[in-house]
Amino acid sequence: EIVLTQTPLSLSVTPGQPASMSCKATHSLLDSDGKTYAYWYLQKPGQSPQLLIYEVSSRFSGVSDRFSGAGSGTDFTLKISRVEAEDVGVYYCMQGVNHPITFGQGTRLEI
Amino acid sequence: QVQLLQSGPGLVRPSETLSLTCTVSGGSISGYYWNWIRQSPVKGLEWIGYIYHTGSTNSNPSLKSRVTISIDTSRNQFSLRLSSVTAADTAVYYCARDPMDVWGQGTTVTVSS
Repeated sequence: EIVLTQTPLSLSVTPGQPASMSCKATHSLLDSDGKTYAYWYLQKPGQSPQLLIYEVSSRFSGVSDRFSGAGSGTDFTLKISRVEAEDVGVYYCMQGVNHPITFGQGTRLEI
Repeated sequence: QVQLLQSGPGLVRPSETLSLTCTVSGGSISGYYWNWIRQSPVKGLEWIGYIYHTGSTNSNPSLKSRVTISIDTSRNQFSLRLSSVTAADTAVYYCARDPMDVWGQGTTVTVSS
């Protein structure tokens, strides 16, 4: 099973400032098909998680361009260029290269 | 726009079977993998398993012996059954389309007598 470790566990950011968080995997998320199956989700308070980034760096439909993903192999990063109040919640990374699919423990973003 | 609507009881007795259904609206159930995921304070987000529209399934080894996932393409629904539940199965259960780009609203399931 691939274990995903997210850091930091919590982040307090002033609106308008950038934020960055990390996700490290115990095994490479690069598949034999050449794609890297790393994803980022945001779970806002009281809501279901919502997809932000798929395959490392592709923004899902409707996601603000303030969000960007990067990384390769086992190390991945999610960056928010300018944090807004609506970005509050818990950010999770997920891997889909191996079963069982696994999630990180989350990074809580506070304003 | 595809939406997932979950249904099922919020309270299950210990040793009984948890049953949840997810109804797909606004799109076809065919051509996708459909997942069940649960979330608890202890384990965080935990993938339970998925089913393809053909009926092929895969599930988390930690739950495999107790999990049954089924699909009814004629009704655009897929379902989860988790047998022999204990308090450790208390969680919010979600259905989601692969790669978790569409989620259901979540169902809080409590295992208690």
